[in-house]
Amino acid sequence: KQEVTQIPAALSVPEGENLVLNCSFTDSAIYNLQWFRQDPGKGLTSLLLIQSSQREQTSGRLNASLDKSSGRSTLYIAASQPGDSATYLCAARPAGGFKTIFGAGTRLFVKA
Amino acid sequence: SQTIHQWPATLVQPVGSPLSLECTVEGTSNPNLYWYRQAAGRGLQLLFYSVGIGQISSEVPQNLSASRPQDRQFILSSKKLLLSDSGFYLCAWSVQDRPYEQYFGPGTRLTVT
Repeated sequence: KQEVTQIPAALSVPEGENLVLNCSFTDSAIYNLQWFRQDPGKGLTSLLLIQSSQREQTSGRLNASLDKSSGRSTLYIAASQPGDSATYLCAARPAGGFKTIFGAGTRLFVKA
Repeated sequence: SQTIHQWPATLVQPVGSPLSLECTVEGTSNPNLYWYRQAAGRGLQLLFYSVGIGQISSEVPQNLSASRPQDRQFILSSKKLLLSDSGFYLCAWSVQDRPYEQYFGPGTRLTVT
């Protein structure tokens, strides 16, 4: 049974700091892994999707990596800004099927 | 472009009352549709998904049911709400042959009192 864990649960950093959010999954047989952003009381916005054959994806100040053998993914945010404050969720999709497994998220607060 | 709507945005209901949450998608045909629940401090839990009109698959046995009366309409219902039904309900859609790319609606915050 796939389980997805995100550490830390919450993080507070000063503006401008580089930071790493961690996601671990128990079953390496995944189709892809995706990172989402969720603002308070809102839906999810997709940030980066990494296919199982890929090692990383980049979009602007965001970089996500995937290491299937160790069951880990990281989201790196460079030069953090107050507008980055949100909850970040990772989601692992199994090889086949609709049941995506989500982590509980990391709540990020960037102080101005 | 495609858009997904959910209503209501927030809802406060007493225990034992019925529930109906609606989700509609515009700008696409024959989408896969999904209902998720997000409890406080927990990840999203897939409740139902549908690959076509009248086709509903349940992932978790519970007090809820889902229906898809039209191609782009997905409804989440309950006959009698429980306190444990409180949470944030999200609807999502995907293209039929790309279920791994799901697009989420704005969500409904349900509080059962």
